[in-house]
Amino acid sequence: NAGVTQTPKFRVLKTGQSMTLLCAQDMNHEYMYWYRQDPGMGLRLIHYSVGEGTTAKGEVPDGYNVSRLKKQNFLLGLESAAPSQTSVYFCASRSETQYFGPGTRLLVL
Amino acid sequence: GESVGLHLPTLSVQEGDNSIINCAYSNSASDYFIWYKQESGKGPQFIIDIRSNMDKRQGQRVTVLLNKTVKHLSLQIAATQPGDSAVYFCAESDYGQNFVFGPGTRLSVLP
Repeated sequence: NAGVTQTPKFRVLKTGQSMTLLCAQDMNHEYMYWYRQDPGMGLRLIHYSVGEGTTAKGEVPDGYNVSRLKKQNFLLGLESAAPSQTSVYFCASRSETQYFGPGTRLLVL
Repeated sequence: GESVGLHLPTLSVQEGDNSIINCAYSNSASDYFIWYKQESGKGPQFIIDIRSNMDKRQGQRVTVLLNKTVKHLSLQIAATQPGDSAVYFCAESDYGQNFVFGPGTRLSVLP
């Protein structure tokens, strides 16, 4: 039981490039979340999903897209990366409480 | 004591003392509250939770207190150890769909 895993762990992008962050969970949870965490700030919700095939916007959705084609996976896409998207991204899934992945550190130059 | 730094509030305590970390929440409709611990370079880790129909819940060395009247949540850590050094976040949720996180408090344990 690996819990919540995220790939990649670290990535450097140039402005305008695209990428996809992958989150996988093996706990059969319905709910999954993508957050970003910036220095000195708490976690801010980007998008979330309440089940396979569903997604919803969170607090800071602009510049990101998500997909939940399979229950165990939640993908976060950046179509055209901007320096303001430099951050640490955390995925979480939950039954009653949330379980977080180890994070993806993204640097956009 | 507690001080507000450039980024995060910081609480410094002596090893062996008790720590109290405070959190004010904003949504009076929130019915579920959680405390997380985040160590450097890692994701947040669940510590303890409490529902709005309770005002106190105890775990191993940790206690969460909820005061709905003033919308205040606290985390008490007994006999603080060096391994407790981390950033602690509170989170609130209404009906379990969205979770709103506080900015965090850095706990520094002094030898």
